[in-house]
Amino acid sequence: GAVVSQHPSRVICKSGTSVKIECRSLDFQATTMFWYRQFPKKSLMLMATSNEGSKATYEQGVEKDKFLINHASLTLSTLTVTSAHPEDSSFYICSASSNYGYTFGSGTRLTVV
Amino acid sequence: AQKVTQAQTEISVVEKEDVTLDCVYETRDTTYYLFWYKQPPSGELVFLIRRNSFDEQNEISGRYSWNFQKSTSSFNFTITASQVVDSAVYFCALSPNTGFQKLVFGTGTRLLVSP
Repeated sequence: GAVVSQHPSRVICKSGTSVKIECRSLDFQATTMFWYRQFPKKSLMLMATSNEGSKATYEQGVEKDKFLINHASLTLSTLTVTSAHPEDSSFYICSASSNYGYTFGSGTRLTVV
Repeated sequence: AQKVTQAQTEISVVEKEDVTLDCVYETRDTTYYLFWYKQPPSGELVFLIRRNSFDEQNEISGRYSWNFQKSTSSFNFTITASQVVDSAVYFCALSPNTGFQKLVFGTGTRLLVSP
């Protein structure tokens, strides 16, 4: 079945540094990738939608300069949290859309200290 | 606008009890998909079911069953003879139209099954 590999699964970084999260579709072409953020005991909040080769569409209230999304190929999308701060600590999860439905990555738990 | 409501924030049951998780949705689309996902403590989302808005047949998969009623805009999920391994957060979600656009998630129901 369709698999999306998300890395890293956990990352701890210092305030002010940038962190890159990768999502790769292993056996299918992900024409659209969705990036979600989840706070503890909360639901998944859509941050942005990216289509291969074009700029991402960000949801209202999401800082596009802080959360850089790149979808350069049909199998790779990245989310970079720039100048991370403790309030960016969260669980980030990607989801690839294809003709078969949605495939989620396993998530990245980001802790900014 | 699309909206998914899961009114039950947390449910606690004892093993072997049956439990129903409620999901009510709002959409103006005539065609849409409904989903249920399970999120265990490890965090990954486990796909449970996808239902097309045209198909109102109830579905059973092992101990899991789903009741889809368009008349009440509900898509409820029942676990029969619950087990400790069923403990997780369960999310109901709506895809606004066929073509797999962005998913709208409910707030989730945390299910705790005690031995």
